Amino acid sequence: AQSVTQLGSHVSVSEGALVLLRCNYSSSVPPYLFWYVQYPNQGLQLLLKYTTGATLVKGINGFEAEFKKSETSFHLTKPSAHMSDAAEYFCAVGGGATNKLIFGTGTLLAVQP
Amino acid sequence: NAGVTQTPKFRVLKTGQSMTLLCAQDMNHEYMYWYRQDPGMGLRLIHYSVGEGTTAKGEVPDGYNVSRLKKQNFLLGLESAAPSQTSVYFCASSSGGYIAEQFFGPGTRLTVL
Repeated sequence: AQSVTQLGSHVSVSEGALVLLRCNYSSSVPPYLFWYVQYPNQGLQLLLKYTTGATLVKGINGFEAEFKKSETSFHLTKPSAHMSDAAEYFCAVGGGATNKLIFGTGTLLAVQP
Repeated sequence: NAGVTQTPKFRVLKTGQSMTLLCAQDMNHEYMYWYRQDPGMGLRLIHYSVGEGTTAKGEVPDGYNVSRLKKQNFLLGLESAAPSQTSVYFCASSSGGYIAEQFFGPGTRLTVL
């Protein structure tokens, strides 16, 4: 079985500060890992994904994530937060014989001016 | 391209009433998914389909039925609505199971009184 844990349901940063959103996964097969973003009253959009190969993955809007197998982590970072980054972020894991993604419970990012 | 559309956007039901949520995609995707989103619980998969004429259960299928008679449409039915089904429902589609990006609709906000 696969699962995802997102540490911190709410994260607040100042504009220009580093953004770090944490995601740990559990998977008995090589995982495929994703970060999605949800802006208010909208559906989810893909930020970035890790399938195989390079462990540092770059996504849209300046976000990136690093796959660390030894730590079973896939944390999302952005060097400098912008007001427009305020949204809810979801980590998800897939893999194996299933056709499904398992989503985490989400982290709501607030950016203070 | 419209992407993924959902009808209706909002609905209020009384306990015991039935309704159907319609999802349509114009990207020729094989895979389609229905999720529900509840505060603090992330997205949970209700049912999904890997192609026209197929359906499968997700994590929380009880109280819901689905049909995929046409490749572009995925219907979610509630036969006898209950207050526990008050939620925001999202439809998504993808070209390839968990490997490919899932494209989400804007959501349907359902309240069951």
